[in-house]
Amino acid sequence: TQLLEQSPQFLSIQEGENLTVYCNSSSVFSSLQWYRQEPGEGPVLLVTVVTGGEVKKLKRLTFQFGDARKDSSLHITAAQPGDTGLYLCAGMHAGKSTFGDGTTLTVKP
Amino acid sequence: DAGITQSPRYKITETGRQVTLMCHQTWSHSYMFWYRQDLGHGLRLIYYSAAADITDKGEVPDGYVVSRSKTENFPLTLESATRSQTSVYFCASSESHLTDTQYFGPGTRLTVL
Repeated sequence: TQLLEQSPQFLSIQEGENLTVYCNSSSVFSSLQWYRQEPGEGPVLLVTVVTGGEVKKLKRLTFQFGDARKDSSLHITAAQPGDTGLYLCAGMHAGKSTFGDGTTLTVKP
Repeated sequence: DAGITQSPRYKITETGRQVTLMCHQTWSHSYMFWYRQDLGHGLRLIYYSAAADITDKGEVPDGYVVSRSKTENFPLTLESATRSQTSVYFCASSESHLTDTQYFGPGTRLTVL
């Protein structure tokens, strides 16, 4: 079983601050996805990264896939209360996906 | 309504009872998945299906049964519910390949007393 460790588990910040959350594994993944989940709802895909070293930007969110395709990071600039939620990473390998336990982000106004 | 729906949204049952959770998608996606999410944890794959009449085990299949007689439906049955199966269950679908974007339903919160 391939494991994905996400850190930190919980993060509480003020509006306007920057933050980075991490997704790490000892295994290599063919691609990695980041999802955001709000309370009472299912996860929603934010981005898929495929190439080692790849960087993708989605407005204030920057996603990076590690060179060795074992880890990834999500950086949020000038966080807003609307960014509050559970951020999940999911690694894809051999046709199956493995989810991390997530980072619960709270952005206070 | 278009999309992926789950029913019921909430279910309370007793240990030993059989429970079926329903999942329906209107996109004609080939792949469908069942996950469970326990408090404070991510998603764990129970079963998935690549097409009608094709199913395969995920990470935690014990105690669960699935079927897929039609492309749009993928019911999950707990044959004899146990307290450890108390969880939130999510159904998802993707268009073609297993690693395509997965679209998740709203979830079913199941409590086994």
